[in-house]
Amino acid sequence: DAGVIQSPRHEVTEMGQEVTLRCKPISGHNSLFWYRQTMMRGLELLIYFNNNVPIDDSGMPEDRFSAKMPNASFSTLKIQPSEPRDSAVYFCASTPDRTYEQFFGPGTRLTVL
Amino acid sequence: AQKVTQAQTEISVVEKEDVTLDCVYETRDTTYYLFWYKQPPSGELVFLIRRNSFDEQNEISGRYSWNFQKSTSSFNFTITASQVVDSAVYFCALSENNAGNMLTFGGGTRLMVKP
Repeated sequence: DAGVIQSPRHEVTEMGQEVTLRCKPISGHNSLFWYRQTMMRGLELLIYFNNNVPIDDSGMPEDRFSAKMPNASFSTLKIQPSEPRDSAVYFCASTPDRTYEQFFGPGTRLTVL
Repeated sequence: AQKVTQAQTEISVVEKEDVTLDCVYETRDTTYYLFWYKQPPSGELVFLIRRNSFDEQNEISGRYSWNFQKSTSSFNFTITASQVVDSAVYFCALSENNAGNMLTFGGGTRLMVKP
């Protein structure tokens, strides 16, 4: 099993640019989560999908952030326009059942200059 | 509201010492799940254990053991005979049945094991 795959692993961009982070969950997992990790705020849940449907996006910081899951094997998190305070590590996680443990991808380290 | 508190932000021990990482949680739900994750310097999050609210049995896995006590709302993690490779940030997390089983993480405890 390849595990959760995230791309890119590192992204450096300039303020105002659009950033798209990608995630491929583990095959057969029907729940997908996007988290953000920063020194100041720790690990925060941004949005959660179940069977490709967004269930809770209350953690999305503002309208500049959007997430989609067009099918069971792919999700994107988009930031437009990006700001320096968006710099963080973004993790994607998937689980076969919400009561099970979540399996995390390696993360995308985003730096917005 | 759910809340997870890891009061120890940083712990430093010498190799072979035993160390306990504390985790205290708050929830009003009767059905919930507790987790521990390890984040080594490489950055990935590695699952260690999952415990449901109806199973208070302590668990041992090699040098790792977990003590779940509902009476004190604690789920502590002990590493016996610590090794340098145990150096990492350890996160305790809670998922609540009535909250869609979304994970709420504690702030993490950075463990440094010195040779």
